[in-house]
Amino acid sequence: SQKIEQNSEALNIQEGKTATLTCNYTNYSPAYLQWYRQDPGRGPVFLLLIRENEKEKRKERLKVTFDTTLKQSLFHITASQPADSATYLCALSDSGTYKYIFGTGTRLKVLA
Amino acid sequence: GAVVSQHPSRVICKSGTSVKIECRSLDFQATTMFWYRQFPKQSLMLMATSNEGSKATYEQGVEKDKFLINHASLTLSTLTVTSAHPEDSSFYICSARGRVDTGELFFGEGSRLTVL
Repeated sequence: SQKIEQNSEALNIQEGKTATLTCNYTNYSPAYLQWYRQDPGRGPVFLLLIRENEKEKRKERLKVTFDTTLKQSLFHITASQPADSATYLCALSDSGTYKYIFGTGTRLKVLA
Repeated sequence: GAVVSQHPSRVICKSGTSVKIECRSLDFQATTMFWYRQFPKQSLMLMATSNEGSKATYEQGVEKDKFLINHASLTLSTLTVTSAHPEDSSFYICSARGRVDTGELFFGEGSRLTVL
């Protein structure tokens, strides 16, 4: 069955450092991979989308890579700030269906 | 980005009653909306896909008679939890497709259901 794993349940880093979150998947060939931020008691907020034929995407301090050979995506937040503390979810979808399967998330805490 | 509004954000009801949750796309037409359920410290589980003007498609293990979904217009989908029981208490979240072929998905703020 399809499986998505995010590297760790929780990650603490010091302010100003780069946070790197990992999303690995098995038994799946997604066309789209997305990263979301979710704060407690709130719905997910879309951050970045990367397609199967793209290697890297950037948006301000965020960078996503997508390696379909390794079946892995890396999500980087550079110059991290305490306000970046949240749970980050990766989600994968087939082309055309928009039926996204979500990972369990990584709780990031940026320490001042 | 596209805005999806969900209402109510919190609802408490007695066991055996039915609860309706609304999901609206405010600034775009959503031909497809999705309903998710999320338990504490767990990920989002897709419950059903809602297409405007047709019956919803439910994921395996989701009772369609328990979770009634209606997508009557291009901007509104509703989820009704019928004869709610304490085990139905959860965080319910809807999402909608953005512009065609972008792959983007936009989420509502979620609705916290507590069944006493």
